[in-house]
Amino acid sequence: GAVVSQHPSWVICKSGTSVKIECRSLDFQATTMFWYRQFPKQSLMLMATSNEGSKATYEQGVEKDKFLINHASLTLSTLTVTSAHPEDSSFYICSASRQLAGGLSTDTQYFGPGTRLTVL
Amino acid sequence: AQSVTQLDSHVSVSEGTPVLLRCNYSSSYSPSLFWYVQHPNKGLQLLLKYTSAATLVKGINGFEAEFKKSETSFHLTKPSAHMSDAAEYFCVVKMNNNAGNMLTFGGGTRLMVKP
Repeated sequence: GAVVSQHPSWVICKSGTSVKIECRSLDFQATTMFWYRQFPKQSLMLMATSNEGSKATYEQGVEKDKFLINHASLTLSTLTVTSAHPEDSSFYICSASRQLAGGLSTDTQYFGPGTRLTVL
Repeated sequence: AQSVTQLDSHVSVSEGTPVLLRCNYSSSYSPSLFWYVQHPNKGLQLLLKYTSAATLVKGINGFEAEFKKSETSFHLTKPSAHMSDAAEYFCVVKMNNNAGNMLTFGGGTRLMVKP
């Protein structure tokens, strides 16, 4: 149990276009979903935290108009990279916390396999 | 504030020898601590976690880690390395202060296993 999927796994786009990445919790309801960015040979950097039905909370330095996050249901969050440029090329990873009774969430985050974005 | 330091960016061991990946943390609150493994082109997989129960935590694939509050450490060990253990390992801390589920990642340690 606790499987998180991402789609697409790899996307190549032209500079100036927008790209949407989906993150789904397949067998559980996710109170909270997180979006990370990972540069080659580096650790994960948290970009934003999203709770179902509310606005995402962005980390310092992350442009919210550039990286649009929507968390419309307890099993789906989307990240849209608007007007992508080559410097946005990166590995984007989402994670989800499982919802428990009483609205709490688990300690553990379950990670998706990541989406590699290449902007030409 | 919380932070995580993985003291070695690269560790190389021979197959069959012990593995030690070091991690130190700082946290203003009682932390939860995790080790994740990332194989090439694959997602992060949880190895083990500490959440204020037993200080010696056993995880998958023969790994274990010991929480030492006095040393603010959470080192990952395995008695005998296998070739399939070669991967990137991340030590992660979460503060238990009702501020949500934000994780802070260490810089990662790349484990190489020689035949």
